[in-house]
Amino acid sequence: EVQLVESGGGLVQPGSSLKLSCVASGFTFSSYNMHWIRQAPKKGLEWIALIYYDNNNKYYADSVKGRFTISRDNSKNTLYLEMNSLRSEDTAMYYCAKNFGGYVDAWGQGASVTVSS
Amino acid sequence: DIQMTQSPASLSASLEEIVTITCQASQDIGNWLSWYQQKPGKSPQLLIYGATSLADGVPSRFSGSRSGTQYSLTISRLQVEDIGIYFCLQASSTPPWTFGGGTKLELK
Repeated sequence: EVQLVESGGGLVQPGSSLKLSCVASGFTFSSYNMHWIRQAPKKGLEWIALIYYDNNNKYYADSVKGRFTISRDNSKNTLYLEMNSLRSEDTAMYYCAKNFGGYVDAWGQGASVTVSS
Repeated sequence: DIQMTQSPASLSASLEEIVTITCQASQDIGNWLSWYQQKPGKSPQLLIYGATSLADGVPSRFSGSRSGTQYSLTISRLQVEDIGIYFCLQASSTPPWTFGGGTKLELK
């Protein structure tokens, strides 16, 4: 069974940093591209980052480009999202998601990030 | 960037009713369209991929269709467990991928 377990969320002040982790199991992590997708409270879904299976390509939404960094450690079956210069509009549930072809076939339970003073 | 316009934003329907939700792409995305269901407090779940293919374990009352750049999700006979929010997602070519704004489906 595919499992994605996020951690590292919390309450932080504007301008600060936070790093999310997502531990994957139940599939060959190193063979799949992975995403981070977020959902602000009572809002829709926003795709924010994609990393290829081999770390060679990374893509970001304009809303996070230059502030967020997606990375992975295939030896640890772990996906990361390093978030810097956090803003109130970054407050959201952050989902780790597994890519399969042109769609997402598995989602984590989410990590809650609140940016507030 | 490709925009996905999803309608309606909310929908109230009766049990056993046929329900249709649509997503309009701002340009050609081929069949790179998937649909997701999100129940309250839960993560989204895949329903349809490749515009028309049913994901494993999804009831056959769900179906997807395409007409040009307009994509539809149809629930043939609405059940209580179908209540939730539905999203489309386009994944055509290079990112960014974009979601539709969502449709909140309620029971009448």
